[in-house]
Amino acid sequence: DAGVTQSPTHLIKTRGQHVTLRCSPISGHKSVSWYQQVLGQGPQFIFQYYEKEERGRGNFPDRFSARQFPNYSSELNVNALLLGDSALYLCASSLDRDRTLYFGPGTRLTVT
Amino acid sequence: GEDVEQSLFLSVREGDSSVINCTYTDSSSTYLYWYKQEPGAGLQLLTYIFSNMDMKQDQRLTVLLNKKDKHLSLRIADTQTGDSAIYFCAESTGTASKLTFGTGTRLQVTL
Repeated sequence: DAGVTQSPTHLIKTRGQHVTLRCSPISGHKSVSWYQQVLGQGPQFIFQYYEKEERGRGNFPDRFSARQFPNYSSELNVNALLLGDSALYLCASSLDRDRTLYFGPGTRLTVT
Repeated sequence: GEDVEQSLFLSVREGDSSVINCTYTDSSSTYLYWYKQEPGAGLQLLTYIFSNMDMKQDQRLTVLLNKKDKHLSLRIADTQTGDSAIYFCAESTGTASKLTFGTGTRLQVTL
């Protein structure tokens, strides 16, 4: 079975721009979570979506938003990019909102 | 609040056992996890333990949980060069999707 897939793999953006990251969960998984991993640190929770509704939000500004589609795939949007947004963005899926997470390979975002 | 701490670096010789330690502060943790991250890759779930367990063994991996001291350890038996990676411990207190991660321990395996 295919694991969690994310696109694009790498992305370079300029300060002030907007970015959209995409995630497809493992087949049958209904919950998607997003994490930000800054270089040298552990991942930090951004959002959880389950059945197309936001079920949890971490300590991130409103510039960060996400949504989940009827096929359970998800997008993470970041507006007005800052240099500090440079990180590996990880998507994880789980069978439902309260089960073990399985992570994708991540999207590496560089903001210049 | 939630805080998870790990030592930054561990070096072991191939064939030896590795022990990676983690401490956490939230006594209401329900599940504790170990993830492995290889360079440029995402996180691979290695194992997890429910907070009412003391130990869990899975092939070369042994997880020990001391709930009184809020201490978690991961023992890798017969460590191989392919085990070289960063190991993260993580805890969940409510929903299992909201994990709090440590800063990671870089395991270096030497010949």
